[in-house]
Amino acid sequence: DSGVTQTPKHLITATGQRVTLRCSPRSGDLSVYWYQQSLDQGLQFLIQYYNGEERAKGNILERFSAQQFPDLHSELNLSSLELGDSALYFCASSVLMRGSYNEQFFGPGTRLTVL
Amino acid sequence: GDSVTQMEGPVTLSEEAFLTINCTYTATGYPSLFWYVQYPGEGLQLLLKATKADDKGSNKGFEATYRKETTSFHLEKGSVQVSDSAVYFCALKVNTGNQFYFGTGTSLTVIP
Repeated sequence: DSGVTQTPKHLITATGQRVTLRCSPRSGDLSVYWYQQSLDQGLQFLIQYYNGEERAKGNILERFSAQQFPDLHSELNLSSLELGDSALYFCASSVLMRGSYNEQFFGPGTRLTVL
Repeated sequence: GDSVTQMEGPVTLSEEAFLTINCTYTATGYPSLFWYVQYPGEGLQLLLKATKADDKGSNKGFEATYRKETTSFHLEKGSVQVSDSAVYFCALKVNTGNQFYFGTGTSLTVIP
């Protein structure tokens, strides 16, 4: 158990809908990262937050947004869903924002299926 | 830009065979390098790490050496077990940045 929790575990929805994925980082971790894992594209970095502020942006679509709250949990919002958004979405957390060693701890993931 | 190139899979080995999964990187700064493992149905777990050139990371019989001259961080294990069947990801993080860069993953299946 990494200490990172993600809810829900599974989510099935229809095209055009909007969903929210939730992540609680390990106690004490200030950085939260979101990743999308699909069969054809591997693990894609989406976005990173540090102590409530956005710090790095990867291949995140405009239909997707995220935020980190004062209690450090984070939410990833996916809207106008398309079939191609079906994937595993992972959240990871780490202690430090910078430094020579920043291990990431991954949550178990949320499997999103868009029908 | 910063990136990781990882050996494509899938890889199928017999139990007790020698494993090598190649990983090379491109980085603008001085990266830390990582191998993560993902067992079926689970999230990624850190397997080993190296934070500077010539460092050797090791864990559970797996090893990888940070080679700056060849920009490589190949994963090796002398004798694989069925329980090593998983997907392995090479990753880097440049010290001056916030983002991790992951390879595409290499699926390993070990057969008895």
